[in-house]
Amino acid sequence: GEDVEQSLFLSVREGDSSVINCTYTDSSSTYLYWYKQEPGAGLQLLTYIFSNMDMKQDQRLTVLLNKKDKHLSLRIADTQTGDSAIYFCAEAGGYNKLIFGAGTRLAVHP
Amino acid sequence: GAVVSQHPSWVICKSGTSVKIECRSLDFQATTMFWYRQFPKQSLMLMATSNEGSKATYEQGVEKDKFLINHASLTLSTLTVTSAHPEDSSFYICSASSPGDNEKLFFGSGTQLSVL
Repeated sequence: GEDVEQSLFLSVREGDSSVINCTYTDSSSTYLYWYKQEPGAGLQLLTYIFSNMDMKQDQRLTVLLNKKDKHLSLRIADTQTGDSAIYFCAEAGGYNKLIFGAGTRLAVHP
Repeated sequence: GAVVSQHPSWVICKSGTSVKIECRSLDFQATTMFWYRQFPKQSLMLMATSNEGSKATYEQGVEKDKFLINHASLTLSTLTVTSAHPEDSSFYICSASSPGDNEKLFFGSGTQLSVL
């Protein structure tokens, strides 16, 4: 069945790069997403990548996709305290039906 | 980007009462909206797909008589939790896709429901 897995926790020092990893199982997924959730708030779409791409860069964010291994990563350069949040990866097989991972809690410390 | 407004942000109710949560697309028309539920420290679980002018499609295990969904217009979908019980306490989030931008889903800010 469909399944998305992420590590649950990541701690980084302010200014360092953060890398959040995700694996998925549905090889027919057309889009893969990264969402950010701050406490008590809804999800904010950070970025997404089409399945025929290997990499996408958007300012401090870099998404890498290894379709062969079904592995997705999000790199945040120069991590700031405001980046502290839970990050969800999600895959979309059918039209807009997203399957989410459990989320990775990113903690940024001085 | 497109804006999705969800109301209320939080609600406390007594067991046995019903609670209505609204989800509005503010600057676009959404023929399809989605309702998710999130338990503490867990991921979002899709509850149902709400289609304007027709019945909602519920995911397996979601009680349609318990969670009533109405999508009467292209900008509004409502979720009513009927006869709420403490185990219904959760964070509910809606989302909608913007026409012509189908690969993106925009989310509301969520509703924290606490049933006493």
